Amino acid sequence: ETGVTQSPTHLIKTRGQQVTLRCSSQSGHNTVSWYQQALGQGPQFIFQYYREEENGRGNFPPRFSGLQFPNYSSELNVNALELDDSALYLCASSFGGRANTGELFFGEGSRLTVL
Amino acid sequence: RKEVEQDPGPFNVPEGATVAFNCTYSNSASQSFFWYRQDCRKEPKLLMSVYSSGNEDGRFTAQLNRASQYISLLIRDSKLSDSATYLCVVLNAGNNRKLIWGLGTSLAVNP
Repeated sequence: ETGVTQSPTHLIKTRGQQVTLRCSSQSGHNTVSWYQQALGQGPQFIFQYYREEENGRGNFPPRFSGLQFPNYSSELNVNALELDDSALYLCASSFGGRANTGELFFGEGSRLTVL
Repeated sequence: RKEVEQDPGPFNVPEGATVAFNCTYSNSASQSFFWYRQDCRKEPKLLMSVYSSGNEDGRFTAQLNRASQYISLLIRDSKLSDSATYLCVVLNAGNNRKLIWGLGTSLAVNP
């Protein structure tokens, strides 16, 4: 086990609603990255948080936002949900922010279905 | 052209077979390279990093060819438990430092 926990594991929302996903990073890790993985696709980088600040972002609209807390846990918020937001949302824990070597430890993910 | 491209799957092989996956990347300044494994409906897990000199971990061998901008993963003596999707990941350096993920190649090892 990686020690990275995500909640909830599954959830169903309707279009236009908002969702908050949570992630607790592995002990000793100060960096959390969020990924979206649609069925049959590779993970797509949403953003990364290092020491409570966003320090990298992929091609996702502003309605995808996040937070990192002093204990390095993190939240991903998605507003105005769209059908295409249905996916597995993965949280990855690491150390060193943008200096990270690329070795990530993932949680089991939150599977979001938007109806 | 996609930044990271992998062999289209799925690969169906019998137990004991040797199978190889290739992955090409477009950014010549890419810094580090990895293979991740993802089981069905599970999270990705780091399988191995790929070093310039090539590296081996048991039945798995990873190679990097910077001149041709590709990396490879060789699996010898395939086991049923090797059935998974194998994701090629590239770390780009510079101001836009980030990991770029391939779409993955699906492997099914059959009895």
